[in-house]
Amino acid sequence: SYHLTQAPSVSVSPGQTARITCSGDAVPKKHVYWYQQKSGQAPVLVIYEDSKRPSGIPERFSGSSSGTMATLTISGAQVEDEGDFFCYSADRSGNQRVFGGGTKLTVL
Amino acid sequence: VQLLESGGGLVQPGGSLRLTCVASGFSFRHYAMTWVRQAPGKGLDWVSTISDRVGISYYADSVKGRFIISRDNSRNTLSLELNSLRVEDTATYYCAKVRSQDTDYGMDVWGQGTTVTVSS
Repeated sequence: SYHLTQAPSVSVSPGQTARITCSGDAVPKKHVYWYQQKSGQAPVLVIYEDSKRPSGIPERFSGSSSGTMATLTISGAQVEDEGDFFCYSADRSGNQRVFGGGTKLTVL
Repeated sequence: VQLLESGGGLVQPGGSLRLTCVASGFSFRHYAMTWVRQAPGKGLDWVSTISDRVGISYYADSVKGRFIISRDNSRNTLSLELNSLRVEDTATYYCAKVRSQDTDYGMDVWGQGTTVTVSS
């Protein structure tokens, strides 16, 4: 079965740049989506189709993709950005969808 | 845009449950829909996706043959029938709207979830 791999945790100081990566064999062929989930809340879409930002999401959130790795970048991370971040995509066949294991972002 | 799930509860292993998600604020019939679950303290787990009108559906291997996704576009309702439930199916189940009628796209709106507990 298809897997997306994320580092379990990332920690930065306020104002620094946080980079969260997601790797998978089908990433060059399939769009990647990024979701932020804060404790006790439903996930929120922060990046879609690799690099597009939904309305209402701060400009400090950006996404990119190169080869088999997609990256979510938070430029000038703030304390309120803390939470779990999950990438999501489909396998090459399009029959299976999968989330990465999630990355816990700490900003302190 | 709102998604409201219901139907969760406590069920014994081997039992069944039907989850429902009522959509409002968008043209439900024009979008694919997805169920995602999250076990306590764990990450997100894709369960199933259904297309907009034709009803083509996809399932995670872990639920294939046990869960059935369906939709009623006349009632703006998405359903998930859970059968042969196992302890490991215990999770909060989220209903989510796909960004397109195309099932290859990701989700842009999520409900608040309904909790399913499988225990004897």
